[in-house]
Amino acid sequence: AQSVAQPEDQVNVAEGNPLTVKCTYSVSGNPYLFWYVQYPNRGLQFLLKYITGDNLVKGSYGFEAEFNKSQTSFHLKKPSALVSDSALYFCAVRVPSYNQGGKLIFGQGTELSVKP
Amino acid sequence: NAGVTQTPKFRVLKTGQSMTLLCAQDMNHEYMYWYRQDPGMGLRLIHYSVGEGTTAKGEVPDGYNVSRLKKQNFLLGLESAAPSQTSVYFCASSYDRGESIRVAETQYFGPGTRLLVL
Repeated sequence: AQSVAQPEDQVNVAEGNPLTVKCTYSVSGNPYLFWYVQYPNRGLQFLLKYITGDNLVKGSYGFEAEFNKSQTSFHLKKPSALVSDSALYFCAVRVPSYNQGGKLIFGQGTELSVKP
Repeated sequence: NAGVTQTPKFRVLKTGQSMTLLCAQDMNHEYMYWYRQDPGMGLRLIHYSVGEGTTAKGEVPDGYNVSRLKKQNFLLGLESAAPSQTSVYFCASSYDRGESIRVAETQYFGPGTRLLVL
């Protein structure tokens, strides 16, 4: 069965320090992987995605993620965290089936808290 | 572009009542989706549509119905609301046929509808 796991419910980081939000996946075939961010009382905003090509993907707001096929991981990273990065982060995988409507499977989310 | 919009933003229902949530998108997207978000469970797909006039079941379809009579609109109906349907509902859309596949794979989300069923 296809699945996505975010092993940490919460990540706490001091402002200016690097941050990592972890994501692992289980899917047959070559996955399309996504990160979304959700600020309080808002919808999800797209951050970045891996479709194919370079394993290091750069996205919005200085975030990047590295696709690691052997470890089936797609961890989200940022070199220097900001207080404004505090939000709920979701990893998602696209089920790689033809004409399946682009369905996404989401992880349970990781709450990122950046303290001054 | 307004992107993806949802109405209403918030609603309180009594058990057994019915209601319809409306999602509209102005990005010429072929695919539309309804998700529900519950604490600690991420987003779960309720129903989706790959084009006007077509719908399909997602992961948690029971108790919901959908319709896609127009390409830009996707309606989610609750015929007889239950407390277990208390949740935040998100609509999303994706895939403009004129875009490359790399762009087309991104789903764009609406602001959500908070539903409380008493």
